[in-house]
Amino acid sequence: EAGVTQFPSHSVIEKGQTVTLRCDPISGHDNLYWYRRVMGKEIKFLLHFVKESKQDESGMPNNRFLAERTGGTYSTLKVQPAELEDSGVYFCASSQPGTGGIYEQYFGPGTRLTVT
Amino acid sequence: AQSVSQHNHHVILSEAASLELGCNYSYGGTVNLFWYVQYPGQHLQLLLKYFSGDPLVKGIKGFEAEFIKSKFSFNLRKPSVQWSDTAEYFCAVNLKSGGYNKLIFGAGTRLAVHP
Repeated sequence: EAGVTQFPSHSVIEKGQTVTLRCDPISGHDNLYWYRRVMGKEIKFLLHFVKESKQDESGMPNNRFLAERTGGTYSTLKVQPAELEDSGVYFCASSQPGTGGIYEQYFGPGTRLTVT
Repeated sequence: AQSVSQHNHHVILSEAASLELGCNYSYGGTVNLFWYVQYPGQHLQLLLKYFSGDPLVKGIKGFEAEFIKSKFSFNLRKPSVQWSDTAEYFCAVNLKSGGYNKLIFGAGTRLAVHP
């Protein structure tokens, strides 16, 4: 079974540009999460999808960040326009179907975003 | 606000030394607790988890952790570390309440094991 995949693995962009990160969860996992780790800090929750619906987006930093999950499969996270403080590693995770229980989250390798 | 504290940011040990990494959380309700590990160049992967039952949980690669509710702690232990345990370790809690289903992580502990 394939794990969670993320693309690209690295991205270097200039301040003011747009970047789109992609996450493909494990097949059949309805729950998809985005997290971010700024250098030296803790991994922080950004948002949670259940299928195509946003269950919790309380961690999204501001309206420059837009997450979508078309058809309840893969998800994209767009940053527009990017700022220096957006640099960090963006992780995606997915978990098994169901919203009431607590399931193990499987993480992707992360996308390292550098904004210069 | 709920938070997770990991006491040590960097730990250096020699092979065969014993390991204990501290983790405390701040939340008065029911929690699910996890330790994740990220080996160099690899994904975050689950080391062990506590949902309920026996507060001493065993994980992969000889790791164990003990949930002490009265101390809000979930410390990770290994009696004898190996060079291959060099990695970054993250403690996390998952709030078990209503619609909450997100992980709150500690800042991580970088462990370096010298041969």
